[in-house]
Amino acid sequence: SAVISQKPSRDICQRGTSLTIQCQVDSQVTMMFWYRQQPGQSLTLIATANQGSEATYESGFVIDKFPISRPNLTFSTLTVSNMSPEDSSIYLCSASGTGYEQYFGPGTRLTVT
Amino acid sequence: KQEVTQIPAALSVPEGENLVLNCSFTDSAIYNLQWFRQDPGKGLTSLLLIQSSQREQTSGRLNASLDKSSGRSTLYIAASQPGDSATYLCAVTGTSGSRLTFGEGTQLTVNP
Repeated sequence: SAVISQKPSRDICQRGTSLTIQCQVDSQVTMMFWYRQQPGQSLTLIATANQGSEATYESGFVIDKFPISRPNLTFSTLTVSNMSPEDSSIYLCSASGTGYEQYFGPGTRLTVT
Repeated sequence: KQEVTQIPAALSVPEGENLVLNCSFTDSAIYNLQWFRQDPGKGLTSLLLIQSSQREQTSGRLNASLDKSSGRSTLYIAASQPGDSATYLCAVTGTSGSRLTFGEGTQLTVNP
């Protein structure tokens, strides 16, 4: 199994600003993902973070709004840019190895005022 | 496009009762299925992983079954406890082996 940590655990941000969320895995993993969970809803995949190349975004999510980096096999960042109240969500990082079992971080609770 | 449905959306039971949570998916071409637990405002904890070639997995009081051909999975919780209160999420991995598709979850409350 993999242990995943995220920073910050929560933040309150003003409209129009940006926040970068960090995700650290305790072991080398094949794939890393970023999800969003809006209040009262299930998880929606934002993108797959690819090591050393551009992330693969799901429909409805774009790089300008959610730039992602993955400089190595154990670390990734997600930036939420030019935030609006609609971006208030829990953002979760996950990782999987060769067996494709996914493990999740504790999440970052973002509130945009 | 894969769709995952969980029934019921919410469930309230007295402590000690055995219960079953249901999950169905529209595309049977899956790599695996996972059950997760999520406590309010927290991340997801993986409970059980069933590979597409398996029929069931057990961990303590939890038992998950998979019928891939009919697109169904169940999570059985024996002798429920108040500490089991949480939202339970079912998710399937496609045959590409990457992205997870989640159901909407079942919110379970176990009353003392």
